[in-house]
Amino acid sequence: GENVEQHPSTLSVQEGDSAVIKCTYSDSASNYFPWYKQELGKRPQLIIDIRSNVGEKKDQRIAVTLNKTAKHFSLHITETQPEDSAVYFCAASRITGGGNKLTFGTGTQLKVEL
Amino acid sequence: GAGVSQSPRYKVAKRGQDVALRCDPISGHVSLFWYQQALGQGPEFLTYFQNEAQLDKSGLPSDRFFAERPEGSVSTLKIQRTQQEDSAVYLCASSLAGQRAEAFFGQGTRLTVV
Repeated sequence: GENVEQHPSTLSVQEGDSAVIKCTYSDSASNYFPWYKQELGKRPQLIIDIRSNVGEKKDQRIAVTLNKTAKHFSLHITETQPEDSAVYFCAASRITGGGNKLTFGTGTQLKVEL
Repeated sequence: GAGVSQSPRYKVAKRGQDVALRCDPISGHVSLFWYQQALGQGPEFLTYFQNEAQLDKSGLPSDRFFAERPEGSVSTLKIQRTQQEDSAVYLCASSLAGQRAEAFFGQGTRLTVV
């Protein structure tokens, strides 16, 4: 089955700096890579996703890059703000006609310091 | 409703007790997933439904875990004879079928087995 590794486990940045979180996956058939943000005690919320037919996607301060050959993808947050502090999870899946079973990384605790 | 709803939010069970966790997905979402999230970890897949059919239950950790979705809408995850290692947050997610892959999560049920 799919295996997703995520680094670092914790990341502390100064407000305004950039943050980068990296993930690798094992199943070359995976074609969908979402990123979720989870605040303490709350539900995971999708912040951005990318499919295997593109190499990069950007949404305001958030961008994701995908390297299919190396089987890794990264989340980039620019101009970090205190409200970006949360746990971020990467995930991978193979989209089929039915379900979209996600395999998650172990999470990155991001702390944005004033 | 506007989002995925889970109940109860918190459940404390004595070891050996049976519990039932409810998930009310977004109306019209064909796919429904259950995940288990241990403290400090990413969600791990338990089982998947497409409408009322349980198409994948490979993640259920033991035969004490049982899930159903009899009318293709509300789902119940039942855990029999709870053990301490069952303590976790149980997350439900729903999505449209096919290529529209985004999964929307509920807030989860935090189960504590004492």
